[in-house]
Amino acid sequence: DSGVTQTPKHLITATGQRVTLRCSPRSGDLSVYWYQQSLDQGLQFLIQYYNGEERAKGNILERFSAQQFPDLHSELNLSSLELGDSALYFCASSVRQGSGNTIYFGEGSWLTVV
Amino acid sequence: SQQGEEDPQALSIQEGENATMNCSYKTSINNLQWYRQNSGRGLVHLILIRSNEREKHSGRLRVTLDTSKKSSSLLITASRAADTASYFCATDAGGTSYGKLTFGQGTILTVHP
Repeated sequence: DSGVTQTPKHLITATGQRVTLRCSPRSGDLSVYWYQQSLDQGLQFLIQYYNGEERAKGNILERFSAQQFPDLHSELNLSSLELGDSALYFCASSVRQGSGNTIYFGEGSWLTVV
Repeated sequence: SQQGEEDPQALSIQEGENATMNCSYKTSINNLQWYRQNSGRGLVHLILIRSNEREKHSGRLRVTLDTSKKSSSLLITASRAADTASYFCATDAGGTSYGKLTFGQGTILTVHP
């Protein structure tokens, strides 16, 4: 158990819908990352927050957004869903925002868009 | 984009044998981390090696890093059936990357009992 908690574990939704994925980082971790894992793209970095502020952005679609709240939990919002958004979405956390920190991953949220 | 290229893509061995997986990357790094993923499950952190380190051990795991060749290897000694999983290397470029990781495609390891 990495200490990173993600909910829901699985969800199935229809195209065009909107979903919210939730992440609680490890106790004491200020930095939260979101990754997407799909068969064709592999593991892709989406976005990072540190203590409530966005720090880095990767290949995140405009239809996707995220935020980190004062209690440090984070949410990833996916809207206007398409079939290609079906993937495993990971949240990860680390103590600090800089390089050299071990990054711990949650179990992921399986999203299936039908 | 994938920074790391892992080799082989798949590896099948018998219990008790050693398994070696290789990772090559393209740009300079601050550190490299190895992860394990059981089928469809979360990523489990195995080991982090910094760019100024050449070798690191953790239990049955041995990781080497050659920054001149931009490559790393993960050795699992005396493998067990429970080691069956996908293994990923992930690079951290440092600087303004703020610790974000770029992953390779992974090596699928199957250990037969």
